Amino acid sequence: QKEVEQDPGPLSVPEGAIVSLNCTYSNSAFQYFMWYRQYSRKGPELLMYTYSSGNKEDGRFTAQVDKSSKYISLFIRDSQPSDSATYLCAMKGAGGTSYGKLTFGQGTILTVHP
Amino acid sequence: GAGVSQSPSNKVTEKGKDVELRCDPISGHTALYWYRQSLGQGLEFLIYFQGNSAPDKSGLPSDRFSAERTGGSVSTLTIQRTQQEDSAVYLCASTQATGRNIQYFGAGTRLSVL
Repeated sequence: QKEVEQDPGPLSVPEGAIVSLNCTYSNSAFQYFMWYRQYSRKGPELLMYTYSSGNKEDGRFTAQVDKSSKYISLFIRDSQPSDSATYLCAMKGAGGTSYGKLTFGQGTILTVHP
Repeated sequence: GAGVSQSPSNKVTEKGKDVELRCDPISGHTALYWYRQSLGQGLEFLIYFQGNSAPDKSGLPSDRFSAERTGGSVSTLTIQRTQQEDSAVYLCASTQATGRNIQYFGAGTRLSVL
């Protein structure tokens, strides 16, 4: 079983919809949680970065972390066609021998149609 | 400023040949990571450099894979005697240090082994 599980989708929604993306993880050493967005044939770019349990909001994006349940979410409000991409959750430990390496979910392919 | 640069962007090779993939990190970033992104496997860690040293090589899939970093800057990932299962996108990321710091990704090298 993978350390980080993410439903690969694909997910198709109409413009303006609220999108919910989720990941579960098994390693309690993970302390930092990220969401990356990856457009086709591009590298991942960081969208959201959180450390503690709770919510973090940035524009149309909200990231949630529930460490007790080992569950993280990304919500996209008022989704736009330009949000069509693959969304990757990623996480890492606090340091030491983890050396900051990221463990990724498989990625969810999102399409927002006009 | 310039981001992480990877070359070539695409590489097609024949089974059994050796290939070299190059990563030029963001100037001043001491930490450098290589990841591999393949269909069905998602993004997987390969190797971590701090300066010119590689304290974590745990993700290299076989002894056909090696990497080096010189001058605390450019890194080269070498795959010897390529196999079809090596076909993937090889991504490089750099960051100022480990811990909370954000990893910035290049666009990757898309390797196809025929």
